[in-house]
Amino acid sequence: EVRLVEFGGGLVQPGGSLRLSCAASGFTFSDYAMSWVRQAPGKGLEWVSTATANGDITTFADAVKGRFTISRDNSVNTLYLQMTSLRTEDTAVYYCAKRSTAVNGHFEYWGQGTLVTVSS
Amino acid sequence: EIVMTQSPATLSVSPGERATLSCRASLGVSGYLAWYQQKPGQAPRLLIYGASTRATGIPARFSGSGSGTEFTLTISSLQSEDFAVYYCQQYNRWPLNFGGGTKVEIK
Repeated sequence: EVRLVEFGGGLVQPGGSLRLSCAASGFTFSDYAMSWVRQAPGKGLEWVSTATANGDITTFADAVKGRFTISRDNSVNTLYLQMTSLRTEDTAVYYCAKRSTAVNGHFEYWGQGTLVTVSS
Repeated sequence: EIVMTQSPATLSVSPGERATLSCRASLGVSGYLAWYQQKPGQAPRLLIYGASTRATGIPARFSGSGSGTEFTLTISSLQSEDFAVYYCQQYNRWPLNFGGGTKVEIK
């Protein structure tokens, strides 16, 4: 059974930093691209970032480019999202999602999400 | 950037009736289109990928169709557990945009 568990969310002040983690199990983590998708309160889904299976290619939404970094450690089956220069508009539930291929594909499985609140 | 537009924003349907949800892409996405279901307080769940292929465990009452820029999700006979928000998403090119969602509510 595929399982994705996110943690690291919480309350942070504007301009602050936070690192999210996603622990994966139930599949060969190093074979699949992984992504972060977020959802602001009461709003729709917004893709944030993707790392390919071996982490050599990373992509970001314009809204977070230059502020967020995605990485993965295939030896411990974990995906990370380092968030810096946080803004109030980054407040959202952040979901980790397994992609269907090594590079791209649809979002095949989702974690339950972790809430990030950016507020003073 | 490919903009995804879903209609209607809200669909009121009686249990047992058919629901038809639309998704339009501003540029062609070939068949790289997925549909997700999200219930309150839950993570999204994959329903359809490749425009028309049901994901593992998804009931046959869910079907997807379309290509290019016009896509449809049909729920043939709505069950109580189907009342939720549905999102389409293209994965043909970056950024991987979602539509704004269609809320299917009980009439």
